[in-house]
This record gives sequence, structure tokens and C-alpha cells, in this order.
Amino acid sequence: SQQGEEDPQALSIQEGENATMNCSYKTSINNLQWYRQNSGRGLVHLILIRSNEREKHSGRLRVTLDTSKKSSSLLITASRAADTASYFCATGGFKTIFGAGTRLFVKA
Amino acid sequence: SQTIHQWPATLVQPVGSPLSLECTVEGTSNPNLYWYRQAAGRGLQLLFYSVGIGQISSEVPQNLSASRPQDRQFILSSKKLLLSDSGFYLCAWSPPLQETQYFGPGTRLLVL
Repeated sequence: SQQGEEDPQALSIQEGENATMNCSYKTSINNLQWYRQNSGRGLVHLILIRSNEREKHSGRLRVTLDTSKKSSSLLITASRAADTASYFCATGGFKTIFGAGTRLFVKA
Repeated sequence: SQTIHQWPATLVQPVGSPLSLECTVEGTSNPNLYWYRQAAGRGLQLLFYSVGIGQISSEVPQNLSASRPQDRQFILSSKKLLLSDSGFYLCAWSPPLQETQYFGPGTRLLVL
């Protein structure tokens, strides 16, 4: 089974609203990463949070990590139509395991 | 700056035909290299990774193989394609000792 599982599988919101995606994993980690994929394209790295960090910010992105619950969340504030994409969490080093992703659709 | 190239972008192949997908990285040395496959609407499945020339680790037993003939070249091959080999193939690299991966544009493979 997948190490990282995102929730929800799909999310549709209006431009300007916040979008929250969650990720759960099964084993202990050194860090957790979030990636974005536009339709038919390669993945783009968004943010890496280490196991000793609880929260990290990058522009409109806010990532939290709760190692006791083995979960992470990605918050995109003030969403834009251009944020429409699939978002994946990933854990592991060389043997990186990606979740199935959350498909975000932001309506203009 | 570093760039990663993959080709071809799209490929349609008959069942039983061979396959060769190439990935090259520019602007870095001794990168870790990865091949992933992504089924439609799904996450990524790690197929192979390499930490150096000639060093290949396989994660999924299948009819695919990988080779790294040069430091910044990674090739995915098959002698005989199956219908189930259809998918979106992504190459990625990461700097040595780092975990952030940088992805190529991908190759969409359709086996008919």
C-alpha cells in the first residue's frame, strides 16, 4: 500500500478561497515533501518539511506535520485559477513513495 | 542552472515491440536518477533509481530495465512491450545526498 495517502481525492473551490489537503503515512520519516503536477506535466517540488519541524511556510503555502499522528497538511491560501493541479505528498529517500494525490480545481 | 530532458514526449508502440526512453540531465554532476510510471489519475510508482554509473536498483519486477551508461544519462528499456506498460513515464534527478527531486516533462506511452 502507499506510504502517503492524500485526502480528499478531489477538491473544487472558488478563486480566493483556501484549499486544504491532507496526507497520512504509515512509517517513521525523516522528512515529508509536497509536489504539484499540472495536467500532463512533470512534478514540481513545493516544500520539504523535516520530522523535527511542525510548520513551514512558503509564499501562499503552509505545511504542517504531526509525527504523532503520522499526518501532514498543505494549505493554499487565497487560491487562484492557476493553482488548479494535482498535489502529492511524498516520503522516503531514494525509495520515495508518492501518494495518489489530491486533484484541486479552482474556479475563476 | 540544471535542466532535465526526456524524449520522446509521446510514443505509440505495438505490443511486443521494444522500447527505449532516454533522460539526460545538464548542469550537475553525479546526480541520483529515477524512473517513475504514473497510471492515469494515480500517484507515481518508482521503477528504478541510480546513485552512479552502472548502479541500478529495481523496485518493481517487470519486463522493464534501466541503464546508466553515462553520469547524466538514464535509459529505460524493454525488449517486448505489454499492454500494461502503457502510462506516463517520468524521469527525475536529485543532487547527491539530497532528497528533493526535479522532474522531466514526461513521456506518454501508449501500447496498442
